[in-house]
Amino acid sequence: GAGVSQSPSNKVTEKGKDVELRCDPISGHTALYWYRQSLGQGLEFLIYFQGNSAPDKSGLPSDRFSAERTGGSVSTLTIQRTQQEDSAVYLCASSLGLAGGSWPSPQYFGPGTRLTVL
Amino acid sequence: AQSVTQLDSQVPVFEEAPVELRCNYSSSVSVYLFWYVQYPNQGLQLLLKYLSGSTLVKGINGFEAEFNKSQTSFHLRKPSVHISDTAEYFCAVTGSNDYKLSFGAGTTVTVRA
Repeated sequence: GAGVSQSPSNKVTEKGKDVELRCDPISGHTALYWYRQSLGQGLEFLIYFQGNSAPDKSGLPSDRFSAERTGGSVSTLTIQRTQQEDSAVYLCASSLGLAGGSWPSPQYFGPGTRLTVL
Repeated sequence: AQSVTQLDSQVPVFEEAPVELRCNYSSSVSVYLFWYVQYPNQGLQLLLKYLSGSTLVKGINGFEAEFNKSQTSFHLRKPSVHISDTAEYFCAVTGSNDYKLSFGAGTTVTVRA
């Protein structure tokens, strides 16, 4: 079946511009996660959505970062006023979450969006 | 909170030789452990997972890992590697009171003919 998809695959932007990254989770997965992969920091958790519950935003590095999940499916990660240190690969993952029966449900990752801020 | 340490950043290995990638974790609660593989310019693919039960876990592509609670380890092994196993491997942990994954720094495996 279809896996997690992300768009765009690559994004180059100028410092100070806003960007939006999109994630389409696996159908039926109620949990959705965003992670960031960068050379200096490795893989870091950013935000977690589970169904209609309030998201866990504890990993967002600054208030320039925000994310939403519409209709319990597609998610958009928005970075405002991008900085060079935002350059990284942004990975989205989904899982069955609390509906999975056994906990934890394994997370399945998309191919990522490579963001370059000039 | 949970954390993971991958003890080797680079592991060069010859084709058809065995390989072991070391992973140690730290946690104050029960843990669930995962190994992911990342091929160049791709996302993360789940290799195997330990949730409970048998401490020897078998995954895809001939990989296996053993959960050792007393040594807080979850080492990944493959008895005979192929060129196509060249990739970066990540160990990850989550706890019984958590859901987000904490990843190790990764181990780059380079398989040479």
